[in-house]
Amino acid sequence: EKQLVESGGGLVQPGGSLRLSCAASGFTFSAYWLTWVRQAPGKGLEWVANIKPDGSEKNYVDSVKGRFTISRDNAKNSLYLQMNSLRAEDTAVYHCVTGKGGGWIPECWGQGTLVTVSS
Amino acid sequence: DFVMTQSPDSLAVSLGERATINCKSSRSVLSTSDNQNYLAWFQQKPGQPPKLLIYWASTRESGVPDRFSGSGSGTDFTLTISSLQAEDAAIYYCQQYHSAPITFGQGTRLEIK
Repeated sequence: EKQLVESGGGLVQPGGSLRLSCAASGFTFSAYWLTWVRQAPGKGLEWVANIKPDGSEKNYVDSVKGRFTISRDNAKNSLYLQMNSLRAEDTAVYHCVTGKGGGWIPECWGQGTLVTVSS
Repeated sequence: DFVMTQSPDSLAVSLGERATINCKSSRSVLSTSDNQNYLAWFQQKPGQPPKLLIYWASTRESGVPDRFSGSGSGTDFTLTISSLQAEDAAIYYCQQYHSAPITFGQGTRLEIK
């Protein structure tokens, strides 16, 4: 069974940095596109970024370009999101998501980790 | 970017009745290369991550009850719940995965009347 467990969230001041991690198990990690999706408290879903199985292609939503970096370590079955220059509007639960059949259809979601940006 | 707009924002339906949620894309999500609509539907209940219901606009995910169905093509899509059950109360989202950035609709809250 596919399992994704996020960690690394917490309270950070505006302008600060945070690194999220996602530990994966139950599937061939290196064969899957992986995605970060966030949800602000009481709000809808926002796709943040995704990364190709070999890490050679990355895509970002405009609002995080230049501030966030998605990466992966296939040897450790882990996905990461380095978040710099954090803003209040980045406050959200961040979910790690796998693509169905290795593609882009979000299939398996982690429970998420909460990032709060506040002074 | 693809802008996904759902309607209505909320609706209340009686048990056993039909519920219909619409999703409109600002651009066609139909791929000319494979003739597939890159459109998915999700259900989200409080405190839980979203659950995939439908992909390729009309393909039901394994384990999803057959009262859930998806239809449409190009820019206009519909999620139908044929006979509403109490456990279907949730927020429903459409999503296009045709092009990055992947985008979601704003969500439709479905309540039991």
